[in-house]
Amino acid sequence: AQTVTQSQPEMSVQEAETVTLSCTYDTSESDYYLFWYKQPPSRQMILVIRQEAYKQQNATENRFSVNFQKAAKSFSLKISDSQLGDAAMYFCAYSPKTSYDKVIFGPGTSLSVIP
Amino acid sequence: GAVVSQHPSRVICKSGTSVKIECRSLDFQATTMFWYRQFPKQSLMLMATSNEGSKATYEQGVEKDKFLINHASLTLSTLTVTSAHPEDSSFYICSARADTGIFYLEAFFGQGTRLTVV
Repeated sequence: AQTVTQSQPEMSVQEAETVTLSCTYDTSESDYYLFWYKQPPSRQMILVIRQEAYKQQNATENRFSVNFQKAAKSFSLKISDSQLGDAAMYFCAYSPKTSYDKVIFGPGTSLSVIP
Repeated sequence: GAVVSQHPSRVICKSGTSVKIECRSLDFQATTMFWYRQFPKQSLMLMATSNEGSKATYEQGVEKDKFLINHASLTLSTLTVTSAHPEDSSFYICSARADTGIFYLEAFFGQGTRLTVV
């Protein structure tokens, strides 16, 4: 069975600094998607970044980048130049590459940004 | 990105009554939609996978007779909590996955529904 683990229940970062959130997953599939979702206090789930497993290049979206290590089944999120608006729950998620399969979420990391 | 509209955002109902929550994909078709439940400060727990034109697939431990799911069209899925009790109070989130187009296989989330059963 596929599982997603986030070993850091809570993290904090100083404004303008960089923080890395960890995620590991387990799967026997060779091709799949990995995601980082942000859930602010409004509880609206927001896609931060997506990585396709067959792509070796790490995905980036402005201040957000990932370190995807397929062999180690590791998928960390780096947030650069942290802003107060980055404070939220962050969920790492995995999904097989079919439209009928579910997205599996990790337990989440609560990120605080210190002014 | 694409938009998923979930309605209502908040609902309070009396114990024993039923509540319907709607999930609509506004600008894309979604053969598959997902219903999640989220407890405070916890992750999203998948309740069921809703497929257009067929019966929903429920996760282990989820009562299908209590949580009725209907996926009548490629843009609408509904979750009905029947004979609601206070323990059903929670935050429910739907997700729709695009079948085609530039957002192919990306999941988009509704804004969630906070259900309170009194």
